[in-house]
Amino acid sequence: EVQLVESGGGLVQPGRSLRLSCTASGFTFGDYAMSWFRQAPGKGLEWVGFIRSKTYGGTTQYAASVKGRFTISRDDSKSIAYLQMSSLKTEDTAVYFCTRDSYYYYMDVWGKGTTVTVSS
Amino acid sequence: IQMTQSPSTLSASIGDRVTITCRASQSISSWLAWYQQKPGKAPKLLIYKASSLESGVPSRFSGSGSGTEFTLTISSLQPDDFATYYCQQYSSYPFSTFGPGTNVDIK
Repeated sequence: EVQLVESGGGLVQPGRSLRLSCTASGFTFGDYAMSWFRQAPGKGLEWVGFIRSKTYGGTTQYAASVKGRFTISRDDSKSIAYLQMSSLKTEDTAVYFCTRDSYYYYMDVWGKGTTVTVSS
Repeated sequence: IQMTQSPSTLSASIGDRVTITCRASQSISSWLAWYQQKPGKAPKLLIYKASSLESGVPSRFSGSGSGTEFTLTISSLQPDDFATYYCQQYSSYPFSTFGPGTNVDIK
């Protein structure tokens, strides 16, 4: 079964850091780009960033709201994608989802999400 | 690229035909997906490339449109269909954007 499982969420103070993990199973992880999205409480969906497969250089892109604070990486040997979040703000409070990006650029597999709460 | 959806809320009964509209601020060709989300759950892909049904999704769901105007239709609403529906443009991948969502609830 194709599956993504996020972990690492929790309560963190403003200005601190947190690392989320997205563990994949059931497919060849290294063949796919992976994205992160978030959903603030009661709000819609927002793209956070993505990482290409190593075949395409493993490069990353980020939303303007997180650029310079968040970093996405991947470990294909472990089938894990990471979202390193630093200088966290209260407005980063959200459920964070990772996705597998299909070869045609839509998101065909979503994890169940992990909750990040930024509060003092 | 900005996405809008209408209506924001839709009240319907079991068996009703339901249509949700999504508009893009500029042409996105057919690079549009529809997702269903239930409270506390992840979004689920229903439709990609505007009108292609994702494997395993019931055939009562269909999508149409191109350019800037798109529709999601549920031909006969079922109890499992009460949820929030989002459209997403991926024409500017990876910088995709979503519509604000349409909540389908019970009349």
